[in-house]
Amino acid sequence: SQQGEEDPQALSIQEGENATMNCSYKTSINNLQWYRQNSGRGLVHLILIRSNEREKHSGRLRVTLDTSKKSSSLLITASRAADTASYFCATDGGGTSYGKLTFGQGTILTVHP
Amino acid sequence: DGGITQSPKYLFRKEGQNVTLSCEQNLNHDAMYWYRQDPGQGLRLIYYSQIVNDFQKGDIAEGYSVSREKKESFPLTVTSAQKNPTAFYLCASSLRQGRDEQFFGPGTRLTVL
Repeated sequence: SQQGEEDPQALSIQEGENATMNCSYKTSINNLQWYRQNSGRGLVHLILIRSNEREKHSGRLRVTLDTSKKSSSLLITASRAADTASYFCATDGGGTSYGKLTFGQGTILTVHP
Repeated sequence: DGGITQSPKYLFRKEGQNVTLSCEQNLNHDAMYWYRQDPGQGLRLIYYSQIVNDFQKGDIAEGYSVSREKKESFPLTVTSAQKNPTAFYLCASSLRQGRDEQFFGPGTRLTVL
């Protein structure tokens, strides 16, 4: 079953605007990861945030994690047309699920020039 | 160049035939994974392997088989027992299972005719 659920399913914005995607999950996690997928391609890793971390930054990306609410958000600032892609969160449940990622269905981001 | 490769990019199969998808990595990663992606969906884990000669079933292993005879290679066989094999198949690897991000190959699109 899919643990991560992304919201919204689709997001359409203009270049220069910020894009926020949310991910909710159901059980405790070891870490949460965000990936990007261009149409018909493999996934590219963006950020990994561990369960004891609350926020991480990488360039124009900011990820937050709230384990009490079992949710995470990915913020892309000053978006560009090249950011157009699908974005997935994936959770590593730890314990017997250690190292097994469970992916959500993704958010399709379209950035208009 | 270091990376993970999959071949072929496109594969067509007649019903009732077994087919093997190739996955090779030269990243010296211990762990390797196979995922299936259906249109508009996230990824689902088929099989994963932490070390050579060892592998475990993921969430949807029925109708699939794997081997891990070499650290660099993790081929996936889609057998005739797989009821709905048409999908996009993605291979990934990570340095160690559970602690690191996964690196993905470009994928193989399998179509059953």
